[in-house]
Amino acid sequence: TQLLEQSPQFLSIQEGENLTVYCNSSSVFSSLQWYRQEPGEGPVLLVTVVTGGEVKKLKRLTFQFGDARKDSSLHITAAQPGDTGLYLCAGPFSGGATNKLIFGTGTLLAVQP
Amino acid sequence: NAGVTQTPKFRILKIGQSMTLQCTQDMNHNYMYWYRQDPGMGLKLIYYSVGAGITDKGEVPNGYNVSRSTTEDFPLRLELAAPSQTSVYFCASSYSLQGKAFFGQGTRLTVV
Repeated sequence: TQLLEQSPQFLSIQEGENLTVYCNSSSVFSSLQWYRQEPGEGPVLLVTVVTGGEVKKLKRLTFQFGDARKDSSLHITAAQPGDTGLYLCAGPFSGGATNKLIFGTGTLLAVQP
Repeated sequence: NAGVTQTPKFRILKIGQSMTLQCTQDMNHNYMYWYRQDPGMGLKLIYYSVGAGITDKGEVPNGYNVSRSTTEDFPLRLELAAPSQTSVYFCASSYSLQGKAFFGQGTRLTVV
């Protein structure tokens, strides 16, 4: 069982459409990060949300951290082909002697021109 | 700054062979991680380290081993390779647990 579940797993949309990706957990996180990964590359950080209820915007991307800090969402307005990629949420988790950074299950987005 | 450097980029192993995936970072980061990623999926944590001399198991440690003798290097050892270990392996580092994680380019490993 993954601690961070993302939905949907796959999303194929037309250019100009809006979409929302969800990242959910039954555990409370002190912060959550969103990364984007392009084929053949490592993930690259987009944003970190820290405060419950926090909303951050990055151009056409809007990130929200849930009030209870168990979930987060990524909304893309007017998607463009350049938004195509694998979107990953990640957060620090304490499940052993030390804390570690774990990743979600991923959402693969394809934006068709 | 080179950032996080992984070698090799590609490797084909036969079942039962062993190999070491190298990872080095030049940012003086305390935290280092090894993840594996299957096609179109998220990253699963194999092992991680919070500093030189300290390592701990992640979500999928079986069949792997690590060491962290210096701040810069965090090699991942595969003993007795199995087809289930066919995957892309990423090394990452960060200054703090909540800080930005920097990733290497990945190692694409195929076990036949």
